[in-house]
Amino acid sequence: QVQVHQWGAGLLKPSETLSLTCAVDGVSFNDYSWNWIRQSPGKGLEWIGKISRRRITFSNPSLKGRVTISVDTSNNHFSLRLSSVTAADTAVYYCARGSPFFDTSDFDYWGQGTLVTVSS
Amino acid sequence: QSVLTQPPSVSAAPGQKVTISCSGSTSNIGNNDVSWYHHFPGTAPKLLIYDNNKRPSGIPDRFSGSKSGTSATLGITGLQTGDEGDYYCATWETSLSVVIFGGGTKLTVL
Repeated sequence: QVQVHQWGAGLLKPSETLSLTCAVDGVSFNDYSWNWIRQSPGKGLEWIGKISRRRITFSNPSLKGRVTISVDTSNNHFSLRLSSVTAADTAVYYCARGSPFFDTSDFDYWGQGTLVTVSS
Repeated sequence: QSVLTQPPSVSAAPGQKVTISCSGSTSNIGNNDVSWYHHFPGTAPKLLIYDNNKRPSGIPDRFSGSKSGTSATLGITGLQTGDEGDYYCATWETSLSVVIFGGGTKLTVL
């Protein structure tokens, strides 16, 4: 049974760095891509980025190089760091397992979501 | 404004059928596979369809997907109140190397 669980700080001040971690159980970490997706209040879903099974990271250009995604294979964890946050980064953040292929959009297992609020 | 265009809302009675469209272009839907998600507020999105028309294990055959050219369609038959929520299409945008989502369609089961 695949289980995905995430955690991280829920309240940040502008200019701080968002940091979230996702733990994965019940699946080989090396066979899939691992993704971060968010939903801002009243808006739709936005793909933030991923780390591939070959440990190559890709991120949405809209986030202007502020994204760092890393993996800790010894613990089956992967993490998101988003620097220089503003109120526009307030959202529910999700981690999700993706296909091992490069150009796909199917995410079959998701974390429970973490509400991150950016406020001074 | 999303690159993938979905109707903002659809509605139908219990037991009826509904379709949700997703319109894109050659740089996304036209050359890549489409996925569909159901998102109920307060829960994680759920994958309904991948590779245009495949259902993950556990998704009933009331849900179907199709793609033609630069558009895709999600069909839901035998509507139930539990089907209410937001539905999103998604695909790969080749020009930007990113996953893109449609703006979402709110389904109401009357």
